[in-house]
Amino acid sequence: AQTVTQSQPEMSVQEAETVTLSCTYDTSESDYYLFWYKQPPSRQMILVIRQEAYKQQNATENRFSVNFQKAAKSFSLKISDSQLGDAAMYFCAYTSNYGGATNKLIFGTGTLLAVQP
Amino acid sequence: DTAVSQTPKYLVTQMGNDKSIKCEQNLGHDTMYWYKQDSKKFLKIMFSYNNKELIINETVPNRFSPKSPDKAHLNLHINSLELGDSAVYFCASSRSRGGSYEQYFGPGTRLTVT
Repeated sequence: AQTVTQSQPEMSVQEAETVTLSCTYDTSESDYYLFWYKQPPSRQMILVIRQEAYKQQNATENRFSVNFQKAAKSFSLKISDSQLGDAAMYFCAYTSNYGGATNKLIFGTGTLLAVQP
Repeated sequence: DTAVSQTPKYLVTQMGNDKSIKCEQNLGHDTMYWYKQDSKKFLKIMFSYNNKELIINETVPNRFSPKSPDKAHLNLHINSLELGDSAVYFCASSRSRGGSYEQYFGPGTRLTVT
């Protein structure tokens, strides 16, 4: 069974600085997707970024980028130029992509990010 | 227009009662999901429907019964509510079953059982 581990329950960053959130996963599959979701206090789940396992190039979305290390099964999220609005719980998630997959998301336990002004 | 909506957003009820949560999506998606977020913020899949067919049932007690009257709706009925059912329940939808399809989440329903 696939598992997702986030070893940092809480992180803090100064406004305008850079922070990296860690995520590792375990799977025997070769075709899958990885995601970072953001959950602010409003509790809405917001997709931040996603990475397809077959793509070697790391995904980037504006100030958000990932460091995807497939062999190490590591998928970290880097937030550059942190803003107060980035304060939220961040979840790493995995889903299979082979034929017949159910597309369920398997989540890590989350990292609560605080942004200090 | 809200893409994935849930009603109610908050639900407070007593142990032993039966309650339902409704979910609707206007995205034209054919796959819908229920996730449960517990008090420690851990999110776990409960059910998934694809074209009104149940495709995931993750060892959820049979007091929980999903129902999909059509592709745009997925409701969750809970019988004999217990204290441990207190959680936030999220509905989500995606275009299809493959992993490449983004899941869009509703705003969540906070269920409190007293």
